[in-house]
Amino acid sequence: AQSVAQPEDQVNVAEGNPLTVKCTYSVSGNPYLFWYVQYPNRGLQFLLKYITGDNLVKGSYGFEAEFNKSQTSFHLKKPSALVSDSALYFCAVRDRGNNRLAFGKGNQVVVIP
Amino acid sequence: DSGVTQTPKHLITATGQRVTLRCSPRSGDLSVYWYQQSLDQGLQFLIQYYNGEERAKGNILERFSAQQFPDLHSELNLSSLELGDSALYFCASSASNDEQFFGPGTRLTVL
Repeated sequence: AQSVAQPEDQVNVAEGNPLTVKCTYSVSGNPYLFWYVQYPNRGLQFLLKYITGDNLVKGSYGFEAEFNKSQTSFHLKKPSALVSDSALYFCAVRDRGNNRLAFGKGNQVVVIP
Repeated sequence: DSGVTQTPKHLITATGQRVTLRCSPRSGDLSVYWYQQSLDQGLQFLIQYYNGEERAKGNILERFSAQQFPDLHSELNLSSLELGDSALYFCASSASNDEQFFGPGTRLTVL
């Protein structure tokens, strides 16, 4: 069964500094990979996805993620963090045989002014 | 706004009761997914429907059931509620084997 690991509980970063949120995955075959963001008392918002093609994927709000097959990773990055990026970030994986998303436990990102 | 709507927003009920959560997918989306988010279990996939048919099943308890109607809206029925069922329940929809769009969720509190 597919699974995702987000090793850090919380990521603290100063405003204007680069932000990285780590994700590794386990799936049989080639994965579909996703990042979602959840603001307090809100649903999950889609940020970006990797299906195939370029390993560097660009998404919403200036976020990007790099797919690394050899390291089975899909880290989320933003060159310059904003205070408004403070939220809960979820990595998810889906294998190509079914439609269910397996989510990581989520990372709380805190951007310090 | 994702285009997925869920009602009610909040639900407070007692143990042993039964509740129904409702979801309307984005216009044109045939797939509906239900997820449960709790502090101890994280975000867990419950069940998927595609055009009225059950397509995939996850960690859904036997006390829970769902269905998708001809107009594509879906309902999640939770019965014999326990304290541990208190959680956020999300519905998501998708057009194909692609990204899922999530509703705002229903917060269920079982007292």
